[in-house]
Amino acid sequence: AQKITQTQPGMFVQEKEAVTLDCTYDTSDPSYGLFWYKQPSSGEMIFLIYQGSYDQQNATEGRYSLNFQKARKSANLVISASQLGDSAMYFCAMRGLGSGTYKYIFGTGTRLKVLA
Amino acid sequence: EAQVTQNPRYLITVTGKKLTVTCSQNMNHEYMSWYRQDPGLGLRQIYYSMNVEVTDKGDVPEGYKVSRKEKRNFPLILESPSPNQTSLYFCASSQYPGQGASEAFFGQGTRLTVV
Repeated sequence: AQKITQTQPGMFVQEKEAVTLDCTYDTSDPSYGLFWYKQPSSGEMIFLIYQGSYDQQNATEGRYSLNFQKARKSANLVISASQLGDSAMYFCAMRGLGSGTYKYIFGTGTRLKVLA
Repeated sequence: EAQVTQNPRYLITVTGKKLTVTCSQNMNHEYMSWYRQDPGLGLRQIYYSMNVEVTDKGDVPEGYKVSRKEKRNFPLILESPSPNQTSLYFCASSQYPGQGASEAFFGQGTRLTVV
């Protein structure tokens, strides 16, 4: 069965510092995609970054990077130079690709608070 | 503007009174899905649809129905709501999921309270 685990319910980081949000996953699909979403206090879901299981390089999008370690089944989100606006809930998600399993599985989330 | 529109944003209803939450997208996406978000549980997929007239169960389908008669619309139906269906609901759409980096576009959410 597919599963996403986010073990950090909440985290604090000082403004301008980097922070890593942990995500581990479990799947039997040979091909899958991993996603991170941000949910600010206003409630909307914002896509941040994507990593395909066969991508050779770790994904980066501006201040966001995804530390993908396939053998460890981890897909940690790294936010560099944290800003106050980064305070939000962050969700890791996974979806199978092309295997007939098109469910999205989300983790329980990590609430990040950036301190001034 | 590309968007997913859900209505209503807020709804308070009584147990057993049928309700429908509408969802519409203007991006011609094949894939649409519904989620519920509960504290400590993250988002859980209720139903998803790969295309018109093609729907399938997610992880928590009990007590919900969906239909996909048109590509742009994917309503969520609660035939007989119960208090345990009080939750924050999201509709989302994306390109055909087999195409890799097709992130989901989410609606603004519907906060449902069943009393």
